[in-house]
Amino acid sequence: EIVMTQSPATLSVSPGERVTLSCRASQSVSSSLAWYQQKPGQAPRLLIYDASTRATGLPARFSGSGSGTDFTLTISSLQSEDFAVYYCQQYNKWQTFGQGTKVEIK
Amino acid sequence: QVQLQESDPGLVKPSETLSLTCTVFGSSINSGYYWGWIRQTPGTGLEWIANIFHSGTSYYNPSLKSRVIISIDTSKNQFSLKLNSVSVADTAVYYCARGRQASGYDSWGQGTLVTVSS
Repeated sequence: EIVMTQSPATLSVSPGERVTLSCRASQSVSSSLAWYQQKPGQAPRLLIYDASTRATGLPARFSGSGSGTDFTLTISSLQSEDFAVYYCQQYNKWQTFGQGTKVEIK
Repeated sequence: QVQLQESDPGLVKPSETLSLTCTVFGSSINSGYYWGWIRQTPGTGLEWIANIFHSGTSYYNPSLKSRVIISIDTSKNQFSLKLNSVSVADTAVYYCARGRQASGYDSWGQGTLVTVSS
């Protein structure tokens, strides 16, 4: 099983700040990586797929990068609606999710 | 706009079979997407269970494969999950979702909480 490790577990930030979330795979997943956002009581929402392709309608402040084993989700200027938990998912070999990074208000 | 809706089995007893159905609205299940089940617990996070294509081709999480069957009914625009020999560890919110090759899950159901308890 490919293990996805996200860091940090929690990130305390102020609105307007730049945020960088990390996701590392235990072996190469090529570019087969997606990022999701989840708010309390809601299902996850697809943000990024193929490591760097934004989902339809996603604001440009979200961007993804990386390939192989190391990936990054960047939010250029955090808005109030962006406080949530973010998950990465690899779909190169079966599918596995990271444990999530919670972005909270500082 | 596609919508997915899980059935609500609620409470399931240990050792019994958990049965879930996902009804798809606004998108033909007989299309180029795949259809999947994912569950979520506070302890283990998000866990992929299984996927199925309209052709019936299916893929299973190796850790659950021995207990899971996924099926599809194109005439009803539904797909289903059966998980047998459940235990307390199978208590989770179960989501159905739509995926595309190489692009993750772009649409999700609201999720249904399934509790395994005697």
